[in-house]
Amino acid sequence: NAGVTQTPKFRILKIGQSMTLQCAQDMNHNYMYWYRQDPGMGLKLIYYSVGAGITDKGEVPNGYNVSRSTTEDFPLRLELAAPSQTSVYFCASSYHGELFFGEGSRLTVL
Amino acid sequence: AQSVTQPDIHITVSEGASLELRCNYSYGATPYLFWYVQSPGQGLQLLLKYFSGDTLVQGIKGFEAEFKRSQSSFNLRKPSVHWSDAAEYFCAVGEQAGTALIFGKGTTLSVSS
Repeated sequence: NAGVTQTPKFRILKIGQSMTLQCAQDMNHNYMYWYRQDPGMGLKLIYYSVGAGITDKGEVPNGYNVSRSTTEDFPLRLELAAPSQTSVYFCASSYHGELFFGEGSRLTVL
Repeated sequence: AQSVTQPDIHITVSEGASLELRCNYSYGATPYLFWYVQSPGQGLQLLLKYFSGDTLVQGIKGFEAEFKRSQSSFNLRKPSVHWSDAAEYFCAVGEQAGTALIFGKGTTLSVSS
């Protein structure tokens, strides 16, 4: 089973560039999430979605956008990348309260 | 607002010794509680979860956790630690099925031989 798949696994961006982190799940889960993880800070919620066509902001949404056109896909868009967005990004889906995580995307902004 | 506190940033335990990782939460009702483990460079793996019922829950890899409502705690325990248990451990709380989890800042476990 693929579960939650994130691409790319690693990426280096220059300040001001834009990119999209892809996330796909094959478990038919309605709920999906994007978190960022910074050393010593745990995971912070960026955006979440309760189903196709419905998204909402989490704790740290500034500088990011999301869309949810299908149940399977939940891409995260970074516009005008800044060094503060250097982080590890995790996508997750949930079922009955339990989160299933992808392996993460490590992004460096220089 | 919900919050999760893991008081210990880093713990070192000898191989074969017992382990307890602390987790305290702030939430008005009965929360959904989780422990996740993360090995270096990897995603998060669920160790165990508590939704309701028996307050002592068993998880994978020999871990268990006890929900204590009076202390707002959900501490993780293992009777005998193995070198492969070295990782970062996260406690998380959720309001109900489907809501986003709030994570603690994590506890890094080192295992000495």
